[in-house]
Formats: sequence, structure tokens, C-alpha cells
Amino acid sequence: AQTVTQSQPEMSVQEAETVTLSCTYDTSESNYYLFWYKQPPSRQMILVIRQEAYKQQNATENRFSVNFQKAAKSFSLKISDSQLGDTAMYFCAFMNRGGADGLTFGKGTHLIIQP
Amino acid sequence: SAVISQKPSRDICQRGTSLTIQCQVDSQVTMMFWYRQQPGQSLTLIATANQGSEATYESGFVIDKFPISRPNLTFSTLTVSNMSPEDSSIYLCSVGLASEQYFGPGTRLTVT
Repeated sequence: AQTVTQSQPEMSVQEAETVTLSCTYDTSESNYYLFWYKQPPSRQMILVIRQEAYKQQNATENRFSVNFQKAAKSFSLKISDSQLGDTAMYFCAFMNRGGADGLTFGKGTHLIIQP
Repeated sequence: SAVISQKPSRDICQRGTSLTIQCQVDSQVTMMFWYRQQPGQSLTLIATANQGSEATYESGFVIDKFPISRPNLTFSTLTVSNMSPEDSSIYLCSVGLASEQYFGPGTRLTVT
């Protein structure tokens, strides 16, 4: 079984700053996917970014990028030029290749962007 | 991607009763999942519901408490049976597509 650990329950930064959210995971699998999901107060789960474990290149989506260190089993999310709308819970998640076992989530990080 | 709707969006129920949550997807999908998010907590997988087979439940979840139906490739239901206040949670369905998972808007259940 895999585990996902997010060690930062809450983070607060000023608007326009850069913030990094940490995530580590444990698995015996070699092929898998990692995700960051955003959950605003509306509770809708929004996919922020996806990383395929067999790809060495770090995924990037506009202001969001990841630092994927496979050997260290680390998967951090960097948000550049943070905006007020980035305020939300952020969950790191693991999925085996194929996805038949669903997602395993970390406990989440509550990110607050201050004006 | 996939567009997923859930009904009801929220409900308040008496203990001892049951509630059935519906999940509708705008395309045919093989893998559907049900998650529970207890207040202030992360998401936990309840079960996997693939069309044409019995639902597979995670440790700590049983069919008698959370019966699931999957009659076709676009629809599933989750029933929360004999509810207690501990069942107060957000219940979310999701679908697996192209190595991603998409979520419905969730059903907020309060049991009094």
C-alpha cells in the first residue's frame, strides 16, 4: 500500500509571492502518477497538475510547477505570483498506473493568500 | 475530461435513515469511485464501482453500510444506510479517464 504525507497543515503568504507546498510519498511501484488537487470552499476538487513517474521532466501548468524527485519520493508544488484565488486546500495524491485502485490522498495543506 | 453531477448537493437526515446519492457522468467510463471526506479531513476511498462487476470496498467500509449500484457506464449510486452522526461528511464520486481522475461537486450530508 502507498502512503502520502503532507507535513504543512497550513501556510500563509502575501499576494504575488511564491510558495512551495511539500509532499512525500511511499510506494513499491515503479510506474505511477502523482497529482496536486485544489479544493476551494466550494468543495469542488480541481486538478492542478499531474506528473507521470516515468517522465523525468517536471510538469508545469502556467503559474504551477512541480519538483519531482523520484529517488527521494518527493513531489512539491510551487505556485508563482500567487493570487487571492489560490486560497484553498491543496491535496497531494498518488495513483497506480492504470488507476484501478483510485487515489491515495495526503492530509492536505491549507494555503492562505493574504492581500 | 468529464462533467460529473451529483444529487442531492446537500441533505440533512435523521439518524437511522438511509440516503441514496446519485452520480451522473456525461460520457461512458469504466472506472467510477466513491470517496468520503469527513469534516476537516482528507478524502478516503470508499469503493470502486466498475460496470458489470461487484463494487470493491476498501478496508473499513462494508457493503451493508454503503451499498453501491452501477447499472451502466454513465451512472452510479451510493447509499449511506442506517445513518449515525459519524456519517456526516462530504461524499464525492469520481471517474477515471486517461490516467486522470475527475470529481463531482460532492454531496454534503449532515446526520442529526
